[in-house]
Amino acid sequence: DSGVTQTPKHLITATGQRVTLRCSPRSGDLSVYWYQQSLDQGLQFLIQYYNGEERAKGNILERFSAQQFPDLHSELNLSSLELGDSALYFCASSVGTLRLAEETQYFGPGTRLLVL
Amino acid sequence: LAKTTQPISMDSYEGQEVNITCSHNNIATNDYITWYQQFPSQGPRFIIQGYKTKVTNEVASLFIPADRKSSTLSLPRVSLSDTAVYYCLVGDIRGAGSYQLTFGKGTKLSVIP
Repeated sequence: DSGVTQTPKHLITATGQRVTLRCSPRSGDLSVYWYQQSLDQGLQFLIQYYNGEERAKGNILERFSAQQFPDLHSELNLSSLELGDSALYFCASSVGTLRLAEETQYFGPGTRLLVL
Repeated sequence: LAKTTQPISMDSYEGQEVNITCSHNNIATNDYITWYQQFPSQGPRFIIQGYKTKVTNEVASLFIPADRKSSTLSLPRVSLSDTAVYYCLVGDIRGAGSYQLTFGKGTKLSVIP
């Protein structure tokens, strides 16, 4: 158990809909990361937040957005969903005080999204 | 955009040493290289991290040459439970100056009895 929690575990929805994925970081961690993992694209970094502020951005679509709240939990919002958005979405957390690639990230169990 | 490159898959017999190499061009001067292990339907798990030369912990060793354009994860005496996908992670500075993370595509290691 990494200490990172994600809800829900599974999500089934239809094209065009909007969903929100939630992540609670490990106690004491200030940074939260979001990743998308699909069969054909591998593990793709989406975005990172540190203490409520966006810190780094990856290949995140404009239809997707995220935020980190004062209690440090984070939400990933996916809108106008398409079939290709079906994937595993992982959240990770880290202390957040080091340079990005020096940080050890602790990954949550993921949310499996299926868009029909 | 710099990227990382790893072999797609590797097979090994139990008890053998396995070496997985990751190529990472344009790694930033102060960036570290980190390897993660992932089992099916689970999040990746940290294995080892290094900056240059050699790092060893209780589960693996990491070899990084002087030019740091590649790194090799070494797993000694693998067992069936080491069957997983292995990713290397480096920081990546894009042309516009923004800072990114780049995971390799991952290497699927299959350990054979």
